[in-house]
Order: sequence, then structure tokens, then C-alpha cells
Amino acid sequence: SQQGEEDPQALSIQEGENATMNCSYKTSINNLQWYRQNSGRGLVHLILIRSNEREKHSGRLRVTLDTSKKSSSLLITASRAADTASYFCATDGTALIFGKGTTLSVSS
Amino acid sequence: KAGVTQTPRYLIKTRGQQVTLSCSPISGHRSVSWYQQTPGQGLQFLFEYFSETQRNKGNFPGRFSGRQFSNSRSEMNVSTLELGDSALYLCASSLDAGVGNEQFFGPGTRLTVL
Repeated sequence: SQQGEEDPQALSIQEGENATMNCSYKTSINNLQWYRQNSGRGLVHLILIRSNEREKHSGRLRVTLDTSKKSSSLLITASRAADTASYFCATDGTALIFGKGTTLSVSS
Repeated sequence: KAGVTQTPRYLIKTRGQQVTLSCSPISGHRSVSWYQQTPGQGLQFLFEYFSETQRNKGNFPGRFSGRQFSNSRSEMNVSTLELGDSALYLCASSLDAGVGNEQFFGPGTRLTVL
């Protein structure tokens, strides 16, 4: 069963624009992770944010976490065509619990 | 360092058959987890192995089983295949057990059951 729910399900933007994806979850967490998946291939780990952190940056990625609202957001700045992929949030339980993902399409 | 490798990459089987998928983790990683990805159910956890022991198991029937060898390589087996078992099977390795560690995923094995 899914713990995280990403929103929106799909997002289309132009190169250079920012993309924001949101993730809501149901139960308490120790950490939350974001992954990227290119067209039916393996997942690539993007960033892990712990429950005592509010914001984390990695290159063009910015992740926020609001444990009071049980939500997280992933911001990709200055998007490129290569960012076209599906993005998943995953929360911790006995195993990683993934949401259904946001499909991002960046056109040039 | 080589990444996680999975073999085979593609597999076509018929209902009732069984299948074995293989995963070689990154060198030095002792934990291997398996996930099933389908369009309808998304990514679902199958099981996690650490030091040849199954640590956790997801909500899948007993037809799904796995094991881990002393070199940390892992195999998963699905017996009596059903059409609904068609999916991308992903293996992930991490240095240590538990979900607080970054998991490195392989490219997956795409299984089609006819």
C-alpha cells in the first residue's frame, strides 16, 4: 500500500522553468527520500531528508519537509530536457514505501 | 565501482512456469532489497536480505521467494507464474540494513507472463 502520494500526477514545463512536486504521507517518519526514474529503468536516489530537517539542497534540487503537515516538496530549478522522468517520494517503514510518482516532462 | 546489476534484463514466460531473477549488489554492500513495479500498484516492497537472512517481507504470496548468498548476491524466485506477475522487478543494494540508508537500484528485470 502507498504511504506517499505525489501531486501532481503529471507536469509539463519548458526548459528553464522550475518544477515543483509535492508528496503527502500518512504516518510518522524518520526520513523521506526522493528518487528519479527514467522511462521504466532503475531508480536513482536524489536526496534524503531526515525528520528533524526542514530543508535540504543538492545542486538544482531543493527539498522541504513539513512533518506537522506530513508533506514534502521537491523543487527542480532551471529544468532541462534531461530532467524528464518520473519522480517518487519514499518514506521509511520496515521498507521503503513509495508513492505513485509524478511524471515530469521538460520540453526544449 | 560497478553499479547494481540484474540479470536477465528481459524475460518472457508463460503462466504456470517459474522464474529466477538474479541481482549482484555493489561491492561491499550487504543489504539487498527487491521491489515489484506495475502500472496499477506502483512500486511495492517484496523482501530485504542482509547477511544471508531475510529481514523483512512484503505482502506477497508464498510463490515469491528469495535468498542471499555469502557474497551478497541475491536471487528471487516466482513459482506458478500468473499474468499479474508481469512487472518490472527492481533490486536495490545498500551498505547496511534498514531504510535509513541510501539504496542503489539496478536497471531491473522486465518480466512478461503470457
